Amino acid sequence: GAVVSQHPSWVICKSGTSVKIECRSLDFQATTMFWYRQFPKQSLMLMATSNEGSKATYEQGVEKDKFLINHASLTLSTLTVTSAHPEDSSFYICSASKVEQYFGPGTRLTVT
Amino acid sequence: AQSVTQLDSQVPVFEEAPVELRCNYSSSVSVYLFWYVQYPNQGLQLLLKYLSGSTLVKGINGFEAEFNKSQTSFHLRKPSVHISDTAEYFCAVSPLGAGGYNKLIFGAGTRLAVHP
Repeated sequence: GAVVSQHPSWVICKSGTSVKIECRSLDFQATTMFWYRQFPKQSLMLMATSNEGSKATYEQGVEKDKFLINHASLTLSTLTVTSAHPEDSSFYICSASKVEQYFGPGTRLTVT
Repeated sequence: AQSVTQLDSQVPVFEEAPVELRCNYSSSVSVYLFWYVQYPNQGLQLLLKYLSGSTLVKGINGFEAEFNKSQTSFHLRKPSVHISDTAEYFCAVSPLGAGGYNKLIFGAGTRLAVHP
């Protein structure tokens, strides 16, 4: 149990466009989901904490208008990267929490 | 505030040799401790965690870690590694609080490279 999926696993988009990444908890309900960003050969950096039915809490330095997070249900959270630029290219990982955090497989975003 | 230091960015080791990946942390409050493994282009998988009780924690894939409160360390060990253990390993802490482990602070990671 405690499986978390992400979709898509890999996406390429053009600079200036927006891209949405989905995070789903497949076999449990998660009141809290987390979004992380990972640059090559670096650690995970927490971007935001998302609670179902309320606004996300963003970490310092993360632009909330650029990284839109929606947590509409107990099994789904979405991260939308708006007006993406090449510097937004990264590996985005979500986790879903039922006490402990369970991680998704990640989404690699490449902005050209 | 909490911080996690993984003392080695890379650890090369031969197959069937023992390995230790070092982790030290700093925190003004009590914490839970975790080790995660990440294979290329994948998310994180929990290896083991320390919540309370015995300071020696056994996890999956033959890994174990020992919590040392006085040295604020949580080193990961395996007596005999396999090629398949080649991956990135992350140490993480979470401050104690109601509602579970709701904030993870990660170390920079240690790349374990197992050679035949």
